[in-house]
Amino acid sequence: SQKIEQNSEALNIQEGKTATLTCNYTNYSPAYLQWYRQDPGRGPVFLLLIRENEKEKRKERLKVTFDTTLKQSLFHITASQPADSATYLCAPDTGRRALTFGSGTRLQVQP
Amino acid sequence: DARVTQTPRHKVTEMGQEVTMRCQPILGHNTVFWYRQTMMQGLELLAYFRNRAPLDDSGMPKDRFSAEMPDATLATLKIQPSEPRDSAVYFCASGLVLGGKGDEQFFGPGTRLTVL
Repeated sequence: SQKIEQNSEALNIQEGKTATLTCNYTNYSPAYLQWYRQDPGRGPVFLLLIRENEKEKRKERLKVTFDTTLKQSLFHITASQPADSATYLCAPDTGRRALTFGSGTRLQVQP
Repeated sequence: DARVTQTPRHKVTEMGQEVTMRCQPILGHNTVFWYRQTMMQGLELLAYFRNRAPLDDSGMPKDRFSAEMPDATLATLKIQPSEPRDSAVYFCASGLVLGGKGDEQFFGPGTRLTVL
């Protein structure tokens, strides 16, 4: 069955450092993958979409990579700030223009 | 500022009661999704519609859950009868899917359901 793995342990880093979050998937080949941010008590917010023919995508301090051979996506936040503290969800498409969400990784940026 | 709205924001009910949750998608979006989020299972897709037609409801317990889109501005998720294991946050999301574009989803604030 399709499976998505994100590090369930919280990631704690110092302000100004680069945060790197990992998303691994098995048993399917998504045409694209999305990353969302979720704050406590709120719905997820779309951040970036990367397609299978794209190796890397950037948006301001965010960078996403997509390795279809390794079946892995990496999400980077450079020059991290305490305001970046949140849970980040990886969501590969299911092949039917819908998404399957990972369980998320909680990022804590210490000032 | 276009956004997805959901009502009610919180609902506490007793086991066996009917629960109806409502969602108003962003005007012009053609796809509506219903999700359920719990600590144990994370964010699960229950059902989704495109141009008001149901595309997939395989994530929903069919015997007690039903989802409909009476018109383009309203999506409903109904649970009858509700059970304590249905306690979760239910999110509605909408998006504009056209050919190879779009696919990002815009989420509402959620309905926090507690079934006693």
